[in-house]
Amino acid sequence: SYVLTQPPSVSVAPGQTATITCGGDDIESKSVHWYQQRPGQAPVLVVYEDSDRPSGIPERFSGSNSGNTATLTISRVEAGDEADFYCQVWESSNNDRVFGGGTKLTVL
Amino acid sequence: EVRLEESGGGLVQPGRSLTLSCAASGFTFDDYAMHWVRQAPGKGLEWVSGISYDGERLEYADSMKGRFTISRENAKKSLYLQMNSLRPEDTALYFCVKDMRGVGASALDMWGLGTMVTVS
Repeated sequence: SYVLTQPPSVSVAPGQTATITCGGDDIESKSVHWYQQRPGQAPVLVVYEDSDRPSGIPERFSGSNSGNTATLTISRVEAGDEADFYCQVWESSNNDRVFGGGTKLTVL
Repeated sequence: EVRLEESGGGLVQPGRSLTLSCAASGFTFDDYAMHWVRQAPGKGLEWVSGISYDGERLEYADSMKGRFTISRENAKKSLYLQMNSLRPEDTALYFCVKDMRGVGASALDMWGLGTMVTVS
């Protein structure tokens, strides 16, 4: 089965840029979606199809996908951005939706 | 406002069955695929099952095939998950989730708050 690998944690100071990676074999051939889950809350879609943002998501959130790595970038990080972030793809060989293990973003 | 409200969770013994329900509102339910995603305590997200807008296409994660059955009633704007032969490892918060499209592989753009299932 397809595996998505995320770093367990990322730390960044307020106002700086956070970069969260999602590794997978030839991931650039797939559409990658990103979700933010604040403590005790349901996940929220923040980036879909590699780099598009749903309405209501700040422009500070952006995504890219190349080679074997997809990346979620959060600019001008705020304390309220602290959360777990998950990447997700559709694995066509078995119609499986696969999630990465999640990355905990800590704002210092 | 899009709203997804799950119900039916609870404490159940191993080997028993449970059926989860999800009531949808605020969007045209029969235009979109729907999914169940679960999260074990302190763990990450795990996709469980999905169903196309018309109920014709059903998909399951490998570990759930043969034990779980997803269904929907568009007239009632409701989604269901029947879970049989439950195991302790099925203990999780189960989310009802809306797909961005009716079929195919797209993002999951709206999530309910979840209903907790404990198998013990």
